[in-house]
Amino acid sequence: DIVMTQSPLSLPVTPGEPASISCRSSHSLLQSNGYNYLDWYLQKPGQSPQLLIYLGSNRASGVPDRFSGSGSGTAFTLTISRVEAEDVGVYYCMQVLQIPGTFGGGTRVEIK
Amino acid sequence: QVQLVQSGAEVKKPGASVKVSCKASGYRFDSYGLSWVRQAPGQGLEWMGWITIYNGNTHYAQQLQGRVTMTTDTSTSTAYMELRSLRSDDTAVYYCARGRWLQLGGFDYWGQGTLVTVSS
Repeated sequence: DIVMTQSPLSLPVTPGEPASISCRSSHSLLQSNGYNYLDWYLQKPGQSPQLLIYLGSNRASGVPDRFSGSGSGTAFTLTISRVEAEDVGVYYCMQVLQIPGTFGGGTRVEIK
Repeated sequence: QVQLVQSGAEVKKPGASVKVSCKASGYRFDSYGLSWVRQAPGQGLEWMGWITIYNGNTHYAQQLQGRVTMTTDTSTSTAYMELRSLRSDDTAVYYCARGRWLQLGGFDYWGQGTLVTVSS
C-alpha cells in the first residue's frame, strides 16, 4: 500500500497569515497523463469531510481561491494564502492512484 | 441539489452484522462511483472500498476482505455497505462519498455519517 505522511500534526495559525501543509507519498503519484493522483480534504469540527483540491492542484467547485495545491511525484503542499477563522479543522491528503486509497494522518489547523 | 442521506445510528454486539444505506439524489446515480470511508472515534479517515455503480464492480480494502460487501439498488439510487463479524474496533462513523466514475477519488459529496457502535 502507498503510505501517506503529513506534517505538521498540528498547525497554530494567525488569521490573515499564510499556512502550508506538507504531504509525502511512499510512491510517485505522477502518471504519464501529467496528473498527480492526490486529493486534499478538510474536515471541519463536527462535519463530514469536504473536497478542497483534486488531482494535485485543481480546486473543487466552491472552494475559495485562497486554497491551492502544488507539488508532484512524492511531495505535495496545500497552501492557504490568508487563513480565515472558518478554515479550522483537520486537513487530510489522500492518494487515489492505487487501490487501496490511503489517507495521510491529518493536520489539525487551529487559530492561535 | 446533490445529497447523500445515510441511515441512522446503530448499536451492535460483537459478531453481528450491520448494513448502512446511502440514498443519493440530485444527480444521475450511475454516472459516478461511490466509496465508503470510516473514522474511528478521535482518529483519522480510513478508505474501506469503492463501487462503480454502472457495472457493480467493487474494490475493497484488503483488511476488510471477506467481511464487507458494497452493493447498490439503482432503482432507488441507494448504496449499501454491509459489514459482518463486527468487532469492537469497527466502532466508527461510516461515510459514503460520491467519487469519479471510473477513477478512485474526487469525493465531492459526502453523506452525513452513520455512527456504528459495537459493544457487548
